Amino acid sequence: DAKTTQPTSMDCAEGRAANLPCNHSTISGNEYVYWYRQIHSQGPQYIIHGLKNNETNEMASLIITEDRKSSTLILPHATLRDTAVYYCIVRVSKWDSNYQLIWGAGTKLIIKP
Amino acid sequence: DGGITQSPKYLFRKEGQNVTLSCEQNLNHDAMYWYRQDPGQGLRLIYYSQIVNDFQKGDIAEGYSVSREKKESFPLTVTSAQKNPTAFYLCASSSRGGNTEAFFGQGTRLTVV
Repeated sequence: DAKTTQPTSMDCAEGRAANLPCNHSTISGNEYVYWYRQIHSQGPQYIIHGLKNNETNEMASLIITEDRKSSTLILPHATLRDTAVYYCIVRVSKWDSNYQLIWGAGTKLIIKP
Repeated sequence: DGGITQSPKYLFRKEGQNVTLSCEQNLNHDAMYWYRQDPGQGLRLIYYSQIVNDFQKGDIAEGYSVSREKKESFPLTVTSAQKNPTAFYLCASSSRGGNTEAFFGQGTRLTVV
C-alpha cells in the first residue's frame, strides 16, 4: 500500500508557482521522500528527493515539515510543459543495499494559460 | 547518449501467447526493475535485479518471468498465466544502494486481444 496521500488533481496558472502537497504521516526516520512526474504515456522522470532538510535543484524545491509527516513540491514558474501527473513516493528499505519506491496514484497537475 | 531503451512502444498479442518485452540500458547500472501501470494508478513492482544472474520477485510477479544474463539487459516475459496482461510496462535502472534516483524507459503498451 502507498505510504503517501496526494490530491487527485490541481490547477495552476502559467508563470505562477505550483505547490503540490503530500502527506506521509507514517514515514519512518530513515525513509526518503522522492518526487517523480509522468507526462502522458511516457516513463516517469525524477524531480527531487529529500530526507529532512529542504532541497532545491534546477527543476523544483522540496519543503519537508519538521515532523516529516508532510512535504510540498514547489515548481517556481510553471509552464504548460509542466502539465503531468506528479508522484510523491516514500522510499522504503527492503533489501540489502537496495530500496523500493512505493507509488500512489499521484496528483494530476494542469497548467492553464 | 546514455539511457534506457524499451522496445517496442506498442505490442499486440493474442490471448494465450507468451510475449517478451525488451529493456536495455547503457548507464552501467547494476540494478534494474520492471513495473506495471494500469490506467489512473501508480506503478507496481513486478521483478527486480540487483546484479547479473540474480533477480527477485516484486509485489505482482505471478504470470511473469525475467532473466538477467547481461548487465545491460533485463527482458520481461508476460506468460499466458498472467490473467490480465493488458497494461503499460515500464523498465527502470539505478545504481545499487544508497541515495540514488531511478531512470525509466519510455514504456511498452501491451494489448492482449
